[in-house]
Amino acid sequence: GAGVSQSPRYKVTKRGQDVALRCDPISGHVSLYWYRQALGQGPEFLTYFNYEAQQDKSGLPNDRFSAERPEGSISTLTIQRTEQRDSAMYRCASSFLAGGADTQYFGPGTRLTVL
Amino acid sequence: QKEVEQDPGPLSVPEGAIVSLNCTYSNSAFQYFMWYRQYSRKGPELLMYTYSSGNKEDGRFTAQVDKSSKYISLFIRDSQPSDSATYLCAMSGTGGYNKLIFGAGTRLAVHP
Repeated sequence: GAGVSQSPRYKVTKRGQDVALRCDPISGHVSLYWYRQALGQGPEFLTYFNYEAQQDKSGLPNDRFSAERPEGSISTLTIQRTEQRDSAMYRCASSFLAGGADTQYFGPGTRLTVL
Repeated sequence: QKEVEQDPGPLSVPEGAIVSLNCTYSNSAFQYFMWYRQYSRKGPELLMYTYSSGNKEDGRFTAQVDKSSKYISLFIRDSQPSDSATYLCAMSGTGGYNKLIFGAGTRLAVHP
């Protein structure tokens, strides 16, 4: 079946612009996670949803970052007034169960470059 | 100090070798321990998953967790060129959700 999909795959933007990154989880998966992965590093947790409820946003770096999942399926990560330090790979993952230690399936990521 | 430390490598071994990959961690609340494999330009995929201490074997792969030492390992037997990838350890604690804390990843190259 289809895996986690993310769009766009690549995004180049100018400093100060807003960007919206989309994640389409595996059908039926209750939990959705956003991570950021710098080159040569492991993914770093940003935020997490169960259904439409944002359970934990402790990893969001500052208030320019926000995420939503209004209908409990597709999620959007928005970065306002982008800065060069926001350049990274943004990865989405989903898991079938809500809570507990369930397998997270990762998407291919969106490579964000802020000029 | 990072919560999870992992030697980034790179590690280069001949085909057929036994590979040992390791991570140390500082948070004693971690209960779930995972190894993810990440091929170039791809997302991480779960390879092995262990709860608490002990060993787990799956084919050529063995995961070990030593909670007393806060040390986890992944062994790959009879390594193949197709095993060439970055291996990421990840862990999470109790609390009812999967906030994963990843290591930096170890790049492995298995040459024929």
